[in-house]
Amino acid sequence: QLQLQESGSSQVKPSETLSLTCTVSGGSISSRGHYWAWIRQPPGKGLEWIGTIYYSGTIDYNASLKSRVTMSVDTSKDQFSLKLTSVTAADTAVYYCARLIGLSLSFDCWGQGTLVTVSS
Amino acid sequence: QSVLTQPPSVSAAPGQKVTISCSGSSSNIGKTVVSWYQQVPGTAPKLLIYENNKRPSGVPDRFSGSKSGTSATLGITGLQTGDEADYYCKTWDTSLSAWVFGGGTKLTVL
Repeated sequence: QLQLQESGSSQVKPSETLSLTCTVSGGSISSRGHYWAWIRQPPGKGLEWIGTIYYSGTIDYNASLKSRVTMSVDTSKDQFSLKLTSVTAADTAVYYCARLIGLSLSFDCWGQGTLVTVSS
Repeated sequence: QSVLTQPPSVSAAPGQKVTISCSGSSSNIGKTVVSWYQQVPGTAPKLLIYENNKRPSGVPDRFSGSKSGTSATLGITGLQTGDEADYYCKTWDTSLSAWVFGGGTKLTVL
């Protein structure tokens, strides 16, 4: 059974860089037709898509975050990563990684999420 | 504010039926399929409905989805206390070139 697990910094100082990694187990990150996404949720608020990456390296970013976001994939480790630069308190959120099924256009598997707090 | 509009909250008694609407436009719902997600507080979202009206394995047939024009609807029958959660619609917006979620609807089973 596919599982996703987020890991990385839980506290980041303002203006610094947030770094997270998602490890995929029970399946391959190189599966054709499967895309890998980061989605975040500020406390008490709704869901916001950050970006999606394919194993080949093809990437889509949310335009509202594009200038600060970098996603990458490591197929040898079945991992994909997120870096968000110049963070502010507004970037405080639970960050989820998820799998997007290209055929059905749905996020069918999610990690448990990790809370990242931006604070000095 | 999301480009997909959902009511902030809905409520109904156990055993009753409830519907949750998701209103969009010709650049999102009017163009492509909608999926729905259930989020119990403190947990990750879970896929409930995909391709407008299909249920993943394991999702009870009490949950249904439909789409008409630029709106989509999630229906839940035979409400149970365990259905209390936040529900989100989601689709692709061709103008924004982005996956967009509705603002979420909190379901209370009275």
